[in-house]
Amino acid sequence: AQSVSQHNHHVILSEAASLELGCNYSYGGTVNLFWYVQYPGQHLQLLLKYFSGDPLVKGIKGFEAEFIKSKFSFNLRKPSVQWSDTAEYFCAVGGGADGLTFGKGTHLIIQP
Amino acid sequence: NAGVTQTPKFRVLKTGQSMTLLCAQDMNHEYMYWYRQDPGMGLRLIHYSVGEGTTAKGEVPDGYNVSRLKKQNFLLGLESAAPSQTSVYFCASRNNLGTAYYAEAFFGQGTRLTVV
Repeated sequence: AQSVSQHNHHVILSEAASLELGCNYSYGGTVNLFWYVQYPGQHLQLLLKYFSGDPLVKGIKGFEAEFIKSKFSFNLRKPSVQWSDTAEYFCAVGGGADGLTFGKGTHLIIQP
Repeated sequence: NAGVTQTPKFRVLKTGQSMTLLCAQDMNHEYMYWYRQDPGMGLRLIHYSVGEGTTAKGEVPDGYNVSRLKKQNFLLGLESAAPSQTSVYFCASRNNLGTAYYAEAFFGQGTRLTVV
């Protein structure tokens, strides 16, 4: 069975700080990895995704993630966060028709 | 192009009442999903459908039923609501592009359901 583990449930940073959110996954087949963001009161939006090829993927709003196969990890990074990055971030893994498996989420608060 | 639309956005039910949540997508997607989101639990899959007339159970199907009579609609039913079903429900859809490419899932705005 596939699973996703997000290490940090709550993160508080100041503006301009660097961000790294951890994600580890367990999946038996061809892995497809995603990071979604949920701004307060809104639905989930895709930040970035990895299917194959270059393990360093770039997404929207300056986010990037690195797929490290040997560590089963797909950590999300951003060099300098902004107040508007305050949101909930979900890592997810998927491979078949039966939907994505999500981590429990990381609540990120950026202090001005 | 509205994407994925959920109806209603908010609802309060009494224990034992029934209701149906509607999800409609206008992207001609094959796959549709119902998730529930609870604090500290992330999103958990309730049921899903890989095409018109087909449905399957997800991780937490108990207490819910679904139907996909039309390709664009996916209905989630609660026959006898319980307080444990208080949650935010999200519908999602995505295209079927075969095994070589996993298409992005698009989510609706969510339905906040409270069962008292």
